[in-house]
Amino acid sequence: LAKTTQPISMDSYEGQEVNITCSHNNIATNDYITWYQQFPSQGPRFIIQGYKTKVTNEVASLFIPADRKSSTLSLPRVSLSDTAVYYCPDECHGNNRLAFGKGNQVVVIP
Amino acid sequence: SQTIHQWPATLVQPVGSPLSLECTVEGTSNPNLYWYRQAAGRGLQLLFYSVGIGQISSEVPQNLSASRPQDRQFILSSKKLLLSDSGFYLCAWSVNRESGYTFGSGTRLTVV
Repeated sequence: LAKTTQPISMDSYEGQEVNITCSHNNIATNDYITWYQQFPSQGPRFIIQGYKTKVTNEVASLFIPADRKSSTLSLPRVSLSDTAVYYCPDECHGNNRLAFGKGNQVVVIP
Repeated sequence: SQTIHQWPATLVQPVGSPLSLECTVEGTSNPNLYWYRQAAGRGLQLLFYSVGIGQISSEVPQNLSASRPQDRQFILSSKKLLLSDSGFYLCAWSVNRESGYTFGSGTRLTVV
């Protein structure tokens, strides 16, 4: 089982760019890197996925270096509604199981 | 489109009582199904997953069990609840690694 590590909590002001980094020290060759967003009392929501280099969608950008040992989720110009917990779950090889850690709490301040 | 239904939204149960939480998926066939629990201040813990009818794998030994009587139905049960079973229970489905997981809205269980 690959292990990812994340910081626990961070604050940011509205309008700023927020970058959250995750370590993937034991990522396997065919593992995807995925990120999820969870609001209070809701289930996590898939927001972005990548394998290598950069991926961008309407919600965020995901940067993955060549060695794939880390990934950085970038939230451009955050608003109060971006306050949530962000996860980069581990993939359990061969079974399509994801192990979520505690995630990273992002609090956006007015 | 695919949807996932989970109920009830909230539940208060006494210690020692039984539990049955139901999750159904619409709009897809043969999904992988998952039960997660999130205790207060903790991360999501995978409890059970299923790759097909009647196929259940348990991740954590506990007094909970899961069943999949139909392709798109996943049930979480307990014969006797413990205080430590309190938490936020989430059902999820996926079809392949590229599609990601889709979670239900969750059930907040309080055992008193």
